Amino acid sequence: GAGVSQSPSNKVTEKGKDVELRCDPISGHTALYWYRQRLGQGLEFLIYFQGNSAPDKSGLPSDRFSAERTGESVSTLTIQRTQQEDSAVYLCASSGRAGATNEKLFFGSGTQLSVL
Amino acid sequence: GENVEQHPSTLSVQEGDSAVIKCTYSDSASNYFPWYKQELGKRPQLIIDIRSNVGEKKDQRIAVTLNKTAKHFSLHITETQPEDSAVYFCAAFFSGGYNKLIFGAGTRLAVHP
Repeated sequence: GAGVSQSPSNKVTEKGKDVELRCDPISGHTALYWYRQRLGQGLEFLIYFQGNSAPDKSGLPSDRFSAERTGESVSTLTIQRTQQEDSAVYLCASSGRAGATNEKLFFGSGTQLSVL
Repeated sequence: GENVEQHPSTLSVQEGDSAVIKCTYSDSASNYFPWYKQELGKRPQLIIDIRSNVGEKKDQRIAVTLNKTAKHFSLHITETQPEDSAVYFCAAFFSGGYNKLIFGAGTRLAVHP
């Protein structure tokens, strides 16, 4: 597709369950970011991938959060043993087509996660 | 550490007035400063950006200024319209062997007719 695609768009889960969120970046983009946005709040940096490696995982809130990226394309963000405070919109963004400026981010429409 | 401070958190203006949002950043090596607009329920969209080799950039009714010495940058919207109502985020690109974009907390702008 032409833009960043995220799935599911909405996810309702019970406390303690694991969830997996998916991001399909723009084809050819080398950089991929995950951000968390709680209701009415700003964009909280979680993790950044350059290619398939994650040089900066400093934003992951706890060891219940993990992310991977394969084939320099799709990324998954996994939250284990979800807690109510994990409820938020999880936004993915990509940037950096080869040879182009590597900073402009294109955002997906996000996954709204609700933990009951 | 990497930090971007943004003020004010809310801003209310009358249609036609100007709006100014200010941000400061912590890393003197930062060299790229974008502004994103997020309308209710939608994804953030880039509206303007500036690089550290320029002090000001304009695009129609919006402009951004950068003071590298003071490590602050500002967004200026002139002749505001109701459709400018949204949350605006500033950001700074932090580099240190890797690159990442850190956002300010956002400014909720309301433009009243």
